[in-house]
Amino acid sequence: NAGVMQNPRHLVRRRGQEARLRCSPMKGHSHVYWYRQLPEEGLKFMVYLQKENIIDESGMPKERFSAEFPKEGPSILRIQQVVRGDSAAYFCASSEDRANYGYTFGSGTRLTVV
Amino acid sequence: EDQVTQSPEALRLQEGESSSLNCSYTVSGLRGLFWYRQDPGKGPEFLFTLYSAGEEKEKERLKATLTKKESFLHITAPKPEDSATYLCAAYGNKLVFGAGTILRVKS
Repeated sequence: NAGVMQNPRHLVRRRGQEARLRCSPMKGHSHVYWYRQLPEEGLKFMVYLQKENIIDESGMPKERFSAEFPKEGPSILRIQQVVRGDSAAYFCASSEDRANYGYTFGSGTRLTVV
Repeated sequence: EDQVTQSPEALRLQEGESSSLNCSYTVSGLRGLFWYRQDPGKGPEFLFTLYSAGEEKEKERLKATLTKKESFLHITAPKPEDSATYLCAAYGNKLVFGAGTILRVKS
């Protein structure tokens, strides 16, 4: 069991470019969660998805950010027209069902905007 | 709004010096209180889940306890390999994390 796989591990983008972060949940897990971690801050919830559905996006910035979890393939967190303030570690977690609160986290993608 | 506050922000211990980390929470309808360990450059690693006041869980040198307003992570006779950031998270209708306690254990 490979666990939650995130790629890339590190991503550098220039201001104005697009960033695409990928997350493959653990085998058998159909619930995916994205969190952002800024230096010296805790993990902040962004979005919760099930296959082909966004369940809760209350933590997502209203502009430039979007997420999807298609029927086939990994979940994607997409950031358009990145700005310096988007630099952070982005973590994906998965769970078997909604009642299983003990999420398994991936190793994260560290986004640097230059 | 659900909130989780951890203290202290950082803690330095000598090897063998026991201590406790605090997590206070304000969550509507708490369904679970979680402790995670995070090493630099890695994702959080699950340690414990506590569901009701009075519950305790143990794993090696770590013991987590829960009251109606707080949780404590007790570290007994820590070793340098226990150095990490310890995260507390509370689940009401989503998992809300505290900012963490950075623990450094020196030999």
